[in-house]
Amino acid sequence: GEDVEQSLFLSVREGDSSVINCTYTDSSSTYLYWYKQEPGAGLQLLTYIFSNMDMKQDQRLTVLLNKKDKHLSLRIADTQTGDSAIYFCAENYEDSSYKLIFGSGTRLLVRP
Amino acid sequence: GAVVSQHPSRVICKSGTSVKIECRSLDFQATTMFWYRQFPKQSLMLMATSNEGSKATYEQGVEKDKFLINHASLTLSTLTVTSAHPEDSSFYICSANIRRLAVLRETQYFGPGTRLLVL
Repeated sequence: GEDVEQSLFLSVREGDSSVINCTYTDSSSTYLYWYKQEPGAGLQLLTYIFSNMDMKQDQRLTVLLNKKDKHLSLRIADTQTGDSAIYFCAENYEDSSYKLIFGSGTRLLVRP
Repeated sequence: GAVVSQHPSRVICKSGTSVKIECRSLDFQATTMFWYRQFPKQSLMLMATSNEGSKATYEQGVEKDKFLINHASLTLSTLTVTSAHPEDSSFYICSANIRRLAVLRETQYFGPGTRLLVL
């Protein structure tokens, strides 16, 4: 079945770069997403990447996709304390429901 | 960006009562709405997919008689937790899809979530 895995926790110092990794199992995924969740809140779409792309950059965010290894990463440059949150990667399936399958989430802690 | 609202944001109820949660897309018509459940420090688990005017599609293991979904319009879906029990206490999040014809991509926008506590 479908499975999306992430490391549970990452701690970085303010100003450093953060790299959050994700592995997935379904090679037919068309889109892969990164969402951010702050405490007690819903999910905020950060960025997405189409499966035929290797890299996408959006301001401080860089997404890398290795389709051969089914590995997705999110790099946050110049990490700020406001970036502390849980980050979820998700796969999108091109079936009729377009449902998302989420990873377990990575809790990012940014130390001042 | 697109806005999805949920009401209520928090609810505390007694065991055995039913609770209705509303999910609205405020400035767009949603092709599909999804309901998720999130336990503390865990990921989101999809409960059901809801299409306007048709029956919801429930994920395996989700009781459709327990979690009633009504999708009355393209901007409103409701989730009713019937005869709630303490184990139903959780964070319930809805999302709504926008079909962007220009890029042929579905994008999900999430509501802020509803925290349910059943005593």
